[in-house]
Amino acid sequence: DQQVKQNSPSLSVQEGRISILNCDYTNSMFDYFLWYKKYPAEGPTFLISISSIKDKNEDGRFTVFLNKSAKHLSLHIVPSQPGDSAVYFCAATRYTGTASKLTFGTGTRLQVTL
Amino acid sequence: DADVTQTPRNRITKTGKRIMLECSQTKGHDRMYWYRQDPGLGLRLIYYSFDVKDINKGEISDGYSVSRQAQAKFSLSLESAIPNQTALYFCATSDPRGGYSRNEQFFGPGTRLTVL
Repeated sequence: DQQVKQNSPSLSVQEGRISILNCDYTNSMFDYFLWYKKYPAEGPTFLISISSIKDKNEDGRFTVFLNKSAKHLSLHIVPSQPGDSAVYFCAATRYTGTASKLTFGTGTRLQVTL
Repeated sequence: DADVTQTPRNRITKTGKRIMLECSQTKGHDRMYWYRQDPGLGLRLIYYSFDVKDINKGEISDGYSVSRQAQAKFSLSLESAIPNQTALYFCATSDPRGGYSRNEQFFGPGTRLTVL
């Protein structure tokens, strides 16, 4: 049972345009969401996160939007740059005060073309 | 620079062999995790440890075991490797201090394991 889903395995965007990566989740207990970026031959690195008390979080060119009623989050990258080409994973967790297990999506490969 | 390291980075082994993957960290984090990544399946949690005396199974622990030798070291063993354990394996750490905003995990570079 895939509790976190990224339905687009790949996405191609021109440099300078907006990249929108989507993620859906099914577990209503999740209350904290993260995006990770992964380059080949490297481990995933944390990019941006959002808690369920917010609907938007912005960090430079990266913005994450959360729609709790739809159980959907999205990552916007504006403007997209060639260095953004990577695999992006969304992840979700339920904060219990002690636990920090993450449930990951299947990933979306973003290619930013010149 | 504080880091998460994994050894070996690549390993080819045969069916039935015992193999150990090692993870070390200099971040001073109490929590450590082992994941595997398979194409189309994302990262799946194998085992996790919240301190030296705490070991917990993740969603896909069958066929694996772990050892937390110290705060900084967390090893993953495949007792008798099989071909469907061919995957990319990642170790990660996290810091429980700082509460809600500190759920991020820090990953090592990964070990590519091939079981023939």
